[in-house]
Amino acid sequence: QLQLQESGPGLVKPSETLSLTCTVSGGSISSNNYYWGWIRQPPGKGLDWIGSVYYSGSTYYNPSLKSRVTISVDTSKNQFSLKLSSVTAADTAVYYCARHLTQGGYCSDTNCYIDYWGQGTLVTVSS
Amino acid sequence: QTVVTQEPSFSVSPGGTVTLTCGLSSGSVSTSYYPSWYQQTPGQAPRTLIYSTNTRSSGVPDRFSGSILGNKAALTITGAQADDESDYYCVLYMGSGKWVFGGGTKLTVL
Repeated sequence: QLQLQESGPGLVKPSETLSLTCTVSGGSISSNNYYWGWIRQPPGKGLDWIGSVYYSGSTYYNPSLKSRVTISVDTSKNQFSLKLSSVTAADTAVYYCARHLTQGGYCSDTNCYIDYWGQGTLVTVSS
Repeated sequence: QTVVTQEPSFSVSPGGTVTLTCGLSSGSVSTSYYPSWYQQTPGQAPRTLIYSTNTRSSGVPDRFSGSILGNKAALTITGAQADDESDYYCVLYMGSGKWVFGGGTKLTVL
């Protein structure tokens, strides 16, 4: 059974960089059928797609966060990571890592959705 | 920037039927957006309900169904139960490796 586990500091100071890692177990991150993504949820609010990375290292970002986000993949460790720079209190949220299923990197009639989620980790931005 | 719209809240009686919708601020939702639906209860990670417009994920009861209604994607719950009280999110694929979430619908069963 595939599992995704987020890890990283739960408290980040304003203006600093938030860094999280997602460790994938029970499956390979190197398959060409998946994008690996980050989604966040501020307290009491809805889900917001941050971005994703393909096993090749190609990245795709939410335009509203693009200037501050970097997502990368480390296939040797079966991990992918999120960095969000210049954080403010508005970046306080539960951050989820997730697997996006596709077919060879393209959406198909049966493969184009988020099929596995991590449990989420709360990151608070505060001094 | 594209905005995916959902009803903020909805209420259904136990045993009743409810249809939640997922639209676009500009344009129509079609199967080409590969709409998917997720259920989230407080404190939990989301759970995949429906993908590719109308395919139920493994283990999802058949009282959940997906469709395109007019210019929107729709999630219908037939015979609502108390434990269907949750937040429901639709997600659309926008192309180029990007997905967008709707704002979510808080469903109350009472």
